Amino acid sequence: AQSVTQPDIHITVSEGASLELRCNYSYGATPYLFWYVQSPGQGLQLLLKYFSGDTLVQGIKGFEAEFKRSQSSFNLRKPSVHWSDAAEYFCAVGRNTGNQFYFGTGTSLTVIP
Amino acid sequence: DVKVTQSSRYLVKRTGEKVFLECVQDMDHENMFWYRQDPGLGLRLIYFSYDVKMKEKGDIPEGYSVSREKKERFSLILESASTNQTSMYLCASSLFETTLNEKLFFGSGTQLSVL
Repeated sequence: AQSVTQPDIHITVSEGASLELRCNYSYGATPYLFWYVQSPGQGLQLLLKYFSGDTLVQGIKGFEAEFKRSQSSFNLRKPSVHWSDAAEYFCAVGRNTGNQFYFGTGTSLTVIP
Repeated sequence: DVKVTQSSRYLVKRTGEKVFLECVQDMDHENMFWYRQDPGLGLRLIYFSYDVKMKEKGDIPEGYSVSREKKERFSLILESASTNQTSMYLCASSLFETTLNEKLFFGSGTQLSVL
């Protein structure tokens, strides 16, 4: 069965530090992978997506993610975190039937000054 | 920009009440979805719709129904609200494509409390 695991429930980083959020997926074929961000009081916004080609994908707000098939991972990274990046981050994989998605349980990011 | 609007940001209802959550999108999207978001559980799909008057069950449809009479509007109905339906409800929409690389556009959510 398809699934998405985000092993870190909550992460705290200092402003200016680097960030890596982990995502592992379980899928039988080449997955379609997404990272969404949810700022407080807001809906989810797409950061980036991968469906083929270059395994390092660039997204909005300075984020990038790398697809590693051997590790079944799609980790999100940012070299220097800003206070405005404090939010909840969701990894998602596209299902094999229709336009549906499995979402991970989310990682809450706190940024300290 | 696509706009997905959920009619209420916060809603408080009593056990047993019939509750309607409304969602409207303005970009002529075929697909619309209702998710609930709970701490530690992420987003779980309740129902979705590929077209007017069409609906499909998601992962947790029990206790819910939906209505899509017009393309732009997708309503989630709690026939008899219960306390375990206290949650954040998120509506989303997307264009219809057979490939899976289409992103979802989300509303801001409705925080429903059932007392």
